[in-house]
Amino acid sequence: ETGVTQTPRHLVMGMTNKKSLKCEQHLGHNAMYWYKQSAKKPLELMFVYNFKEQTENNSVPSRFSPECPNSSHLFLHLHTLQPEDSALYLCASSQDQWVGGIPAEAFFGQGTRLTVV
Amino acid sequence: GENVEQHPSTLSVQEGDSAVIKCTYSDSASNYFPWYKQELGKGPQLIIDIRSNVGEKKDQRIAVTLNKTAKHFSLHITETQPEDSAVYFCAARGQTGANNLFFGTGTRLTVIP
Repeated sequence: ETGVTQTPRHLVMGMTNKKSLKCEQHLGHNAMYWYKQSAKKPLELMFVYNFKEQTENNSVPSRFSPECPNSSHLFLHLHTLQPEDSALYLCASSQDQWVGGIPAEAFFGQGTRLTVV
Repeated sequence: GENVEQHPSTLSVQEGDSAVIKCTYSDSASNYFPWYKQELGKGPQLIIDIRSNVGEKKDQRIAVTLNKTAKHFSLHITETQPEDSAVYFCAARGQTGANNLFFGTGTRLTVIP
């Protein structure tokens, strides 16, 4: 295990539903990330939080809404999704980047397999 | 932004043979290059990384080489075993202070017993 836990592991939701994905890490990391993994595509960075502040929004549609209440928890709130949003959603965490100029490795959770019907 | 290309998309080798996966990147400011292994039903796990101040790094059967001039880096797995079968992703991190990791499209490696 990497120390990053995601729940649920699988989620099926209708296009009118509201659901949330949860990510938790107790590695003492300050940066947390949401990635989307679709078949035959590179992992797509969605959001980055550093010390609970959002530092990156990679042009993600507003039907995805992240929340980072503290450095250990990250949520992704989902609302009125489309079938093309079906994918594996991965959370990752790392130490604050570039402390001393040394990039820190990112640890990934196992992902939530989301199916939008 | 950074663009990372990875080849091949699939690779089959006989057990005991070597496997090589290659990646290129576009941003000359990138200076951190990790490799991740993703097994079925799991998230990516870091297996080795290299920073731009070195040209090669080795960890047992796994090695990574970096050519900053040509902007390419490669993963080498020697004496492959069936448990090496997985999808491998290369990635590059851009400018100092940036939090983005840009990933390649992945290589599905199959080691045939």
